[in-house]
Amino acid sequence: GESVGLHLPTLSVQEGDNSIINCAYSNSASDYFIWYKQESGKGPQFIIDIRSNMDKRQGQRVTVLLNKTVKHLSLQIAATQPGDSAVYFCAEMGIIQGAQKLVFGQGTRLTINP
Amino acid sequence: NAGVMQNPRHLVRRRGQEARLRCSPMKGHSHVYWYRQLPEEGLKFMVYLQKENIIDESGMPKERFSAEFPKEGPSILRIQQVVRGDSAAYFCASSPSGLGETQYFGPGTRLLVL
Repeated sequence: GESVGLHLPTLSVQEGDNSIINCAYSNSASDYFIWYKQESGKGPQFIIDIRSNMDKRQGQRVTVLLNKTVKHLSLQIAATQPGDSAVYFCAEMGIIQGAQKLVFGQGTRLTINP
Repeated sequence: NAGVMQNPRHLVRRRGQEARLRCSPMKGHSHVYWYRQLPEEGLKFMVYLQKENIIDESGMPKERFSAEFPKEGPSILRIQQVVRGDSAAYFCASSPSGLGETQYFGPGTRLLVL
């Protein structure tokens, strides 16, 4: 079954604050993780990825942290802007039914308050 | 650089009709993946194809659903004798060289079965 889940289904933050979106996974053999952003009516948009040989990776205003010990992944967005409002999905490259595939979590809806 | 293209963007069918969804991968990508998304849910893997080959169809319903990626032309997801439960957003993604690579998504086709 699915092995990726999120702690919080919704998150509301003030514009300019930092946001942290969390994700738990259960497949310890997974070695590649991706965060996607999905705006209403659109397809998932790649934000940032990380491989299991790293514990932190930074992009523009975003940072992904990977804690393999507790099988936890987080996405940090600095100085959130109205355009950051979307649903954020973590995805895990894992072995499901004997084949490697990308497994998506439930998603967290991020709302930015003015 | 054109991204992943999907058409139609919206498709309305009556029960019992056929639905054909098309996906053109990014230039230089020869691996295509189809996902299905219900409202307020994450994406669920359906099928993984390379040119002229189905690599993994473990997420595809055994009946009524089929997929192809011919040598020339787009990938096609075909749903025969649609039922109301087939109503969903269907997303296509592509990658340059298979699993372990980042998958880039198209805008999706929203199928509504009346």
